[in-house]
Amino acid sequence: NAGVTQTPKFQVLKTGQSMTLQCAQDMNHNSMYWYRQDPGMGLRLIYYSASEGTTDKGEVPNGYNVSRLNKREFSLRLESAAPSQTSVYFCASKLLAGSYYQETQYFGPGTRLLVL
Amino acid sequence: QKEVEQDPGPLSVPEGAIVSLNCTYSNSAFQYFMWYRQYSRKGPELLMYTYSSGNKEDGRFTAQVDKSSKYISLFIRDSQPSDSATYLCAASGSARQLTFGSGTQLTVLP
Repeated sequence: NAGVTQTPKFQVLKTGQSMTLQCAQDMNHNSMYWYRQDPGMGLRLIYYSASEGTTDKGEVPNGYNVSRLNKREFSLRLESAAPSQTSVYFCASKLLAGSYYQETQYFGPGTRLLVL
Repeated sequence: QKEVEQDPGPLSVPEGAIVSLNCTYSNSAFQYFMWYRQYSRKGPELLMYTYSSGNKEDGRFTAQVDKSSKYISLFIRDSQPSDSATYLCAASGSARQLTFGSGTQLTVLP
C-alpha cells in the first residue's frame, strides 16, 4: 500500500498561473482533506470531502477549488496563483469523517509550492 | 486569537531528558485531542489521541488533557535523538475537522 500520494512534490508558479495538485489514497478511506502549512501558522484546513460526492469549505478556502474525482482521488486547484499561496500543501485521508475510535488522518508527503 | 495556541520553540534537550510540550485552547466544545509528530519534509503522523480529560500513556509518551484549564500536554520520557521533530497538537469538537496548533520544534542532542 502506498498510503496517501501527492503530485507534484515541488512546483514553481508565476503569479496568475493555474495548477492542480493531485492526491490519491489506496486505503479505501471515505474522507479526504487538503491543508496548507505555513511557518508559525500550523496546519490550516482548506477544503475537505467527508465522502465521495461531497465537499465542504474549511478555514481558508479562498482562492482554491477542489474536486472529489472518485473515492480515491481529491484534487486541489489554484485558478490564479498569488504569492500568498506559497506554502506546503498536505493531503490527508480518514476512514470516516465523523468517527474517532481507532482512526486517524493519514497524511501525504506534501507538495511545496512557490508562487513568484 | 487562534483556537489552539502552541509555543513554537525551538526546544533543545539532551538525550535522556524528560520533555514537556504544551498547548492551550479556547473552544469549550473541543473534546478530542491529538498529538502529531512531523519529521522534516514529511507529512504529520498521529502520535497520541485522547478523548475529554485525563491521561493516556503509550511507551515513553504520555498525553494529558485538563479541560478545566483548557490545557493539553505531551510528555516524552527518556528522550532520544530520533524524537527530534516538530510536534503538533490538535483538537476537535465535531470529529469532522481538526484545529492544529502551530507546532513545537524539538531537538534531542546525543
